[in-house]
Amino acid sequence: QVQLQESGPGLVKPSETLSLTCTVSGGSISSYYWSWIRQPPGKGLEWIGYIYYSGSTNYNPSLKSRVTISVDTSTNQFSLKLSSVNAADTAVYYCARAGWEEVAQGKNRFDPWGQGTLVTVSS
Amino acid sequence: SYELTQPPSVSVSPGQTASITCSGDKLGDKYVCWYQQKPGQSPVLVIYEDRKRPSGIPERFSGSNSGNTATLTISGTQAMDEADYYCQAWDSGTGVFGGGTKLTVL
Repeated sequence: QVQLQESGPGLVKPSETLSLTCTVSGGSISSYYWSWIRQPPGKGLEWIGYIYYSGSTNYNPSLKSRVTISVDTSTNQFSLKLSSVNAADTAVYYCARAGWEEVAQGKNRFDPWGQGTLVTVSS
Repeated sequence: SYELTQPPSVSVSPGQTASITCSGDKLGDKYVCWYQQKPGQSPVLVIYEDRKRPSGIPERFSGSNSGNTATLTISGTQAMDEADYYCQAWDSGTGVFGGGTKLTVL
């Protein structure tokens, strides 16, 4: 079955750019939507954005000015960049598969999820 | 922006039925998913498209969605069901999560 694994630095300095990669194994990244979701310590889930394997994206309006999600089908990976980070961006970051249906239909579900990676923003 | 509202906590006795609500404007016109998250673990999908169960999810988990409220129902609740539960929907191509509900089985 498909498995996802996040990787990247666990510590990022304020004002710098957070960069994470999600590696998809056990299946192809093609024909699906893929998302990043984060969870600050002790708080709820926040959707960051998605990318379709073809490269089309959509982002959470509250983060849109700072977020870039990209995909590399040759390596079965997709990535997240979040610029100008501050302490409020400290969170566990999850990657997840977001289904194959057109998002406009509203049926997309997050399944499966990666194990998550904690990113701390601190000097 | 679209908002989903959940009660912060729900308590249930073992063997009883737990109901967790999720409310949003005209939520019944959207599809709702539910995720279970146990401490230190990643969320797991338990209900999608309002009422469908993924393979491997016990039959005691069910869902409904009408009007402004979606409901996750756990029948015959077991101690292993104690967890945080999140509802989720899409609004104009944007993913939205509810704030989460802590289910306590006592």
